[in-house]
Amino acid sequence: SQTIHQWPATLVQPVGSPLSLECTVEGTSNPNLYWYRQAAGRGLQLLFYSVGIGQISSEVPQNLSASRPQDRQFILSSKKLLLSDSGFYLCAWSPPLAGGRNQPQHFGDGTRLSIL
Amino acid sequence: GQQVMQIPQYQHVQEGEDFTTYCNSSTTLSNIQWYKQRPGGHPVFLIQLVKSGEVKKQKRLTFQFGEAKKNSSLHITATQTTDVGTYFCAGHVLTGGGNKLTFGTGTQLKVEL
Repeated sequence: SQTIHQWPATLVQPVGSPLSLECTVEGTSNPNLYWYRQAAGRGLQLLFYSVGIGQISSEVPQNLSASRPQDRQFILSSKKLLLSDSGFYLCAWSPPLAGGRNQPQHFGDGTRLSIL
Repeated sequence: GQQVMQIPQYQHVQEGEDFTTYCNSSTTLSNIQWYKQRPGGHPVFLIQLVKSGEVKKQKRLTFQFGEAKKNSSLHITATQTTDVGTYFCAGHVLTGGGNKLTFGTGTQLKVEL
C-alpha cells in the first residue's frame, strides 16, 4: 500500500532563517505531488505541484520554492523565512493516471511551522 | 481565478441533529471531491462526484453534485460526536486547471452532547 511521510511534525524557526521540509511517498511510481499551506482555522492554499522529477508549478508568488530531486521526494524550501510563513504545511500525492485529474489526494500528517 | 466558497463557515449542532454544508464554485467543475479534517489532523478523502446531478451516500452522509456542476452539498443525518471536524469540498476545473484541486473555504462542524 502507498504511504506518505512528512517531517518534521513541528518546527519553530526565527525570522530570516532558512527552511527545508521534506516529503516522501512509498508504494507508487510517478505520483503527482503537492504542497499546501493552511492558516489556523482556514482553508488549504496550493503552493506548488509537480507531475514529475524536476517539474514544478508555482501557484502563488512568495519567498518559498519547491524541488523534486527524485520521483517520490518533494522538498519545500525558503532562504529567509518571514513571519507570514507561519502555518500548517501539508504535502499530498495523487496517482499519475489521467495526469492526476479525477483522482483523490492523500495527505501527509503535516508540519506546524511557527516563525518567531 | 477560480473560487470555491462554502457555507456556513461554522456550525454547532446537538448530537442527533442534521447538518448540511454547501459548496459553490465560480466556474464549472469536472468533478467535486469532499474531504474531512479532524481537529489537529490532515484532510482525508471522503468521496468524489463526477456526473451532473449525481448523488452518493455513505452511511449517514449524502453527497450531491449540482446539475450545472458548479455546486455541491454534503448532508449528515443524525450527527454524532465522531462527525466533528472541518469538511472541505474541492474541485477540478473543467478546462485549464491542470492537475490541481481548488479547495473550498471549509465548514467547521462541532457536535455537542
